[in-house]
Parts: sequence; C-alpha cells; structure tokens
Amino acid sequence: GDSVTQMEGPVTLSEEAFLTINCTYTATGYPSLFWYVQYPGEGLQLLLKATKADDKGSNKGFEATYRKETTSFHLEKGSVQVSDSAVYFCALRKGAGGTSYGKLTFGQGTILTVHP
Amino acid sequence: DAGVIQSPRHEVTEMGQEVTLRCKPISGHDYLFWYRQTMMRGLELLIYFNNNVPIDDSGMPEDRFSAKMPNASFSTLKIQPSEPRDSAVYFCASSRQSTGENEQFFGPGTRLTVL
Repeated sequence: GDSVTQMEGPVTLSEEAFLTINCTYTATGYPSLFWYVQYPGEGLQLLLKATKADDKGSNKGFEATYRKETTSFHLEKGSVQVSDSAVYFCALRKGAGGTSYGKLTFGQGTILTVHP
Repeated sequence: DAGVIQSPRHEVTEMGQEVTLRCKPISGHDYLFWYRQTMMRGLELLIYFNNNVPIDDSGMPEDRFSAKMPNASFSTLKIQPSEPRDSAVYFCASSRQSTGENEQFFGPGTRLTVL
C-alpha cells in the first residue's frame, strides 16, 4: 500500500540555519504530495503542495520539489526562524479515481525546534 | 469564513463512560475525515466520508468506536465504553474534491483524557 517516510526527528537548529527534512514515498500512479505544519496546540495546516513531477511547491520561504525519479519531496528553507518551530508532516494523495481518492497518507511527523 | 469547528475542545471522562465528539465541516466541502493523534502512534486516519457516506472505516480501532454523518454540516465520533488508551487528540478535517481542490482543512482538535 501507499506509504510516506520522513526523516526521524527531533531536529534542533539555531536561528538562520538551513533546514532540510527528508521525505520519500511509495505509491502507484501519480500521487499529489503535500507538506503540512502543526504549531503547538493547533490542528494541521497546509504549508505547500505539488501535484505532478518536477513541480515545486513554495510558501513562507519553504520549498519542496516533486522528484518522481527518486520518489522524494524534501522540505527546505534557507534561513529558519524561531517561529518555524513546529511539527512537519509529509503526505500524499492518490490520483483521481478509485475508492481512496481524497484520502491523505501521512508520514510520522518531524519535530523542529529553532533556538534564538 | 469559519473553519472546521470541533467541540468540545477538551474532554475529561472516566473509564466506561460514553464520549461523543462533534465536528462541523466547512460549508460546501464534500469530504470529512476523523483522525487520532498520539505520541506513540502519530496521526492515524480513523474514518472518512464522501457526501455523508462512509467510504473507509478500516482505521476505526474496534467496535467501541462509531462515527456518523447525518447531514453535510455535522458529524459525530462516539466511543462507548471509553478506555484510558483512547486518550488522544482527535481531529476532524474537511475538503472539497468535487472541484479538483485537494487541501484538507483541519479543526483545532478535541483533547480527550480518559481516567
């Protein structure tokens, strides 16, 4: 079945450091890929998405590129801030058609802590 | 526009009691999802509905759990009887797939503690 694997955390960085959180997936067909962020005490929010190979999603300085050849969707940010401290989830959604359309498969989440 | 609304935000109950969690999805959304989040197991999809019809309930842990969606604007997740291992944060999410949009919008969650 479909699965998403994220790098294990927690990840601890100093402010202005470069961030990479690795995400790889297993799925048939052409899934859409997502990064969600969960701030303390809140629900998940969509951070960025990509719906086809070679697409780059970006938002709030974060970027991720859909690499079908390596089945990856790594999250990057050039300079993190304390306010980026949160849990980050990689997820996939299968393509149109089939009974599981609409369902997201999430990775286990990566805790990011950024220190001043 | 109001987002996904969940109630209550916090629930503390004793083992054996019935617990009902409520969710109001975003108006116009045709998919509704119930998730459970714990430190040990992460984020788990319990069940989801499309146009008020349950599509996949394979994530519901056991018969003590049940979910209903009587109309497009309301869903409940019920646990009867509750057990301490049910303690978790329960999230409801909704999305609108019919127009090709695919973002799930999450509610703030209900933190359930079963003593």
